[in-house]
Amino acid sequence: QSVLTQPPSASGTPGQRVTISCSGSSSNIGINTVTWYRQLPGAAPKLLIHSNNQRPSGVPDRFSGSKSGTSASLAISGLQSEDEADYYCAAWDDSLNGYVFGTGTTVTVL
Amino acid sequence: QVQLVESGGGVVQPGGSLRLSCAASSFTFTTYAMHWVRQAPGKGLQWVAIVSYDGTKKHYVDSVKGRFTISRDDSKSTLFLQMNSLKPEDTAMYYCARGNLGGFDSWGQGTLVTVSS
Repeated sequence: QSVLTQPPSASGTPGQRVTISCSGSSSNIGINTVTWYRQLPGAAPKLLIHSNNQRPSGVPDRFSGSKSGTSASLAISGLQSEDEADYYCAAWDDSLNGYVFGTGTTVTVL
Repeated sequence: QVQLVESGGGVVQPGGSLRLSCAASSFTFTTYAMHWVRQAPGKGLQWVAIVSYDGTKKHYVDSVKGRFTISRDDSKSTLFLQMNSLKPEDTAMYYCARGNLGGFDSWGQGTLVTVSS
């Protein structure tokens, strides 16, 4: 079961900025760091953001993350057609003693 | 670069067993925790289990506790998931992932498990 809530979909035109929210609780996002993943159709997920707002090497600076309280967000600026994918947030949950993922957001480039 | 290759998936009847493997290469396996994450067809990601870098600590999602066992063979840089008493709801693509940076920094390509009579 998903404990982190994301909007099911988001969209924008090429060049626009899209933001995806991730809502959690005091046992996960409230006290642990958030990571974000992108999953292209038919492929394995890939790490986009770690430690709330850090990009691994190779991830374009068009992707940025933030966290406030029990919520986090991912922003994609300069939207490109190859950004069409599913995006997931994740965090460790101290109450469940395990990781929890968000419900996932499908980004569409119009 | 980091490589994770899963194997062992297939079709199994309800109540049956499967053992998944994940062969790791191009990194020091013994210094990382390892995870299994699954994705049911058309659904989102679900974390399944973690084993600590030294194999001493293991945690599972509630839905698999008592049925699944995660383990590692450091001499072969291989991660395992023993799955018993399989249910149709266990049908999913199973990914192994390296634990790092507070999450999962490398993923395999996945192995498909189908539980059906």
